[in-house]
Amino acid sequence: GAVVSQHPSRVICKSGTSVKIECRSLDFQATTMFWYRQFPKKSLMLMATSNEGSKATYEQGVEKDKFLINHASLTLSTLTVTSAHPEDSSFYICSARQWNEAFFGQGTRLTVV
Amino acid sequence: QKEVEQNSGPLSVPEGAIASLNCTYSDRGSQSFFWYRQYSGKSPELIMSIYSNGDKEDGRFTAQLNKASQYVSLLIRDSQPSDSATYLCAIEKDQGGKLIFGQGTELSVKP
Repeated sequence: GAVVSQHPSRVICKSGTSVKIECRSLDFQATTMFWYRQFPKKSLMLMATSNEGSKATYEQGVEKDKFLINHASLTLSTLTVTSAHPEDSSFYICSARQWNEAFFGQGTRLTVV
Repeated sequence: QKEVEQNSGPLSVPEGAIASLNCTYSDRGSQSFFWYRQYSGKSPELIMSIYSNGDKEDGRFTAQLNKASQYVSLLIRDSQPSDSATYLCAIEKDQGGKLIFGQGTELSVKP
């Protein structure tokens, strides 16, 4: 199956700093990628749709200025959590679609201290 | 009303038994349905996809879809301890690849 690679897998940052998470489709091109967030014991919540070469589409309630998404190439989307706060600590997961199946990255565990 | 609803569990079954996981959804226009398995600290992995009413079997897994009742289920036969995980039901929204997930059902298979 297709491979989606996400980096880093874990990151700890201080409050007020920014963190960038990368999502790469390794063996296929993805014009669209998706970013999800998952709190402990909760389900995946869609944050935004990343569109290659255009602005991301954010779900209701997600602050676009806080969660900056860039999809500059057909194989890379990045999510930057700006001015991170402890409440942003979560598991962030990206996905890309090929054929009719969504392939997920390994996820990034963000801890803001 | 949530778009996708599942019993959160935990659901506990003995090894070798059938585990039955259920999911309901609210959007009658949904066309694509998925079951994912997620181990703790890992990202989801696809178990089954189903698009038409009826049953779809793949090894020990059977997905059942009833669009009239807006209901999709997953049966796991001969459950193994390695099947212990959280099972997520998902629907595709707007046919654009966006997945909406249920809250997940935690399954525990006891040896």
